[in-house]
Amino acid sequence: GNSVTQMEGPVTLSEEAFLTINCTYTATGYPSLFWYVQYPGEGLQLLLKATKADDKGSNKGFEATYRKETTSFHLEKGSVQVSDSAVYFCALSFSGYSTLTFGKGTMLLVSP
Amino acid sequence: DAGVIQSPRHEVTEMGQEVTLRCKPISGHDYLFWYRQTMMRGLELLIYFNNNVPIDDSGMPEDRFSAKMPNASFSTLKIQPSEPRDSAVYFCASSLTSGGRTDTQYFGPGTRLTVL
Repeated sequence: GNSVTQMEGPVTLSEEAFLTINCTYTATGYPSLFWYVQYPGEGLQLLLKATKADDKGSNKGFEATYRKETTSFHLEKGSVQVSDSAVYFCALSFSGYSTLTFGKGTMLLVSP
Repeated sequence: DAGVIQSPRHEVTEMGQEVTLRCKPISGHDYLFWYRQTMMRGLELLIYFNNNVPIDDSGMPEDRFSAKMPNASFSTLKIQPSEPRDSAVYFCASSLTSGGRTDTQYFGPGTRLTVL
């Protein structure tokens, strides 16, 4: 079956540090890939997505590139802020199918 | 756009009581999803609907759980009777089929359920 594996957290960084959160997937075929973010006390929000190999999704300074050869979709940001503290979820879905397969989430804690 | 609306935001009840969670999806969206989030199990898909019809309820944990979608703008998730292990945050999400793709889901703020 399809699955998503994320690095375990929490990831703790100082403000302005570089961020990488690893995500790899197992799937038959070529899914669309997503990063969702959940701020404390809120629901999940779509952060960025990529629908085919080599696509780069970007939003709010975050980036992720769909790497078919390594089945990965790592999330990066050059300089994190305290306000980026949240839980980040990697997910996949297939065109024509409605459901998302989520990873377990990675908590990011950014200190001033 | 108001986004996905869920009520109540917090619910505290006693074991054995009936609990009803409510969701209003984004207007025009044709898919609706119910999720449960706990520390131990993470985010679990319970059930989803397409055009008000339940498509897959294999994630519903027990017969104590039921969900309905009487119209395109309203859905309920009911737990009867509730148990302490049902304590979790329950999310509703909706999405729109466009060009054959139904992949971006929009989540509500969640209902935090505590069963004593």
